[in-house]
Amino acid sequence: AQKITQTQPGMFVQEKEAVTLDCTYDTSDPSYGLFWYKQPSSGEMIFLIYQGSYDQQNATEGRYSLNFQKARKSANLVISASQLGDSAMYFCAMRSHASGGSYIPTFGRGTSLIVHP
Amino acid sequence: DADVTQTPRNRITKTGKRIMLECSQTKGHDRMYWYRQDPGLGLRLIYYSFDVKDINKGEISDGYSVSRQAQAKFSLSLESAIPNQTALYFCATSVAGLAAYNEQFFGPGTRLTVL
Repeated sequence: AQKITQTQPGMFVQEKEAVTLDCTYDTSDPSYGLFWYKQPSSGEMIFLIYQGSYDQQNATEGRYSLNFQKARKSANLVISASQLGDSAMYFCAMRSHASGGSYIPTFGRGTSLIVHP
Repeated sequence: DADVTQTPRNRITKTGKRIMLECSQTKGHDRMYWYRQDPGLGLRLIYYSFDVKDINKGEISDGYSVSRQAQAKFSLSLESAIPNQTALYFCATSVAGLAAYNEQFFGPGTRLTVL
């Protein structure tokens, strides 16, 4: 079975500061992918960044980077230079092998980030 | 136009009513999913379909049924709605294949309230 854990229900950060959102995972599959999604108050799910289990380097997308520590089974999202528009729910998700050879994604419970001016 | 659309966007209904939520996509993806989101619980998978002839139960399928009418259409039904089915429902799509990287594309969500 696969599992995603986000231990921070809520986080606060000052505008222009960096913030790290935690995500740990558990899977017995050596091949998996980790995703982060942003959900603003409007409700839509926005894909931010992806890390593959075999990727040698940490993924980066603009101000988003993924601190991937495979041995610790963690995939923390780092947002640099926070902006007011970063205030949202953030979900960590994982896809790994499931029965039948399919990759079914599992989501964490999310972290609410509030950016203060 | 949005690649993944959901109708209706908001719905209020009464206990015991039958409700259908519809999802359409223009992305040409084979795989489609239905999730529900509850505060503090994240997204939980209800059903998923890897092609028109393939339907699978997810984590929380009890009380729900689905229909894959075509590659582009995947409907979720609540046969007899109950108040604890009040939630935000998302449809999502992804390409086929076994690669761990297959980003999901989400619809805008349907907010359902069961009174």
